[in-house]
Amino acid sequence: GEDVEQSLFLSVREGDSSVINCTYTDSSSTYLYWYKQEPGAGLQLLTYIFSNMDMKQDQRLTVLLNKKDKHLSLRIADTQTGDSAIYFCAESMYGGSQGNLIFGKGTKLSVKP
Amino acid sequence: ETGVTQSPTHLIKTRGQQVTLRCSSQSGHNTVSWYQQALGQGPQFIFQYYREEENGRGNFPPRFSGLQFPNYSSELNVNALELDDSALYLCASSHQETQYFGPGTRLLVL
Repeated sequence: GEDVEQSLFLSVREGDSSVINCTYTDSSSTYLYWYKQEPGAGLQLLTYIFSNMDMKQDQRLTVLLNKKDKHLSLRIADTQTGDSAIYFCAESMYGGSQGNLIFGKGTKLSVKP
Repeated sequence: ETGVTQSPTHLIKTRGQQVTLRCSSQSGHNTVSWYQQALGQGPQFIFQYYREEENGRGNFPPRFSGLQFPNYSSELNVNALELDDSALYLCASSHQETQYFGPGTRLLVL
């Protein structure tokens, strides 16, 4: 079956880099996403990667995809207190407009000053 | 700001009642998906609508139903509410490969 696993907690110091990891089981996943959820809010799309890519960089965010190991990571450079939130990894076979996203349980990132 | 709005923001119902949640999609997005997010969990897919037709459904019973209107706004209806239906309900509008989420409706069933 389809499953997405994430570690539940990560704590870093302000200014350090954060690396949030995710593993998925469905080898036919075509799109992989990272969403951010702040307390009491909906999900904010941070970035996504197509399965034929190994890496994608967008300002402070770097996504790495190891398709062989079905491992996805999100690196946040120069982490700030405003980055404290829950980060969700999600996979999709067909992309957002043709099917559902399957989410992990989320990683709670705490950034200490 | 995603341009996706949901109403109401919060709702309290009692077991056995019915509820209707509403979503307005981002302009130009003709696909809407609904998710249930229980406390401490990731969102779980309920169903998706494309051009007013159901386009996929997750593992939810028939008492969860939906509608999509010609202007692409959408409703989620839940009948015979149960305590376990207490959750954050999220809608997402999509265009091509991405889904953009609204702020959600928090439902509490007593």
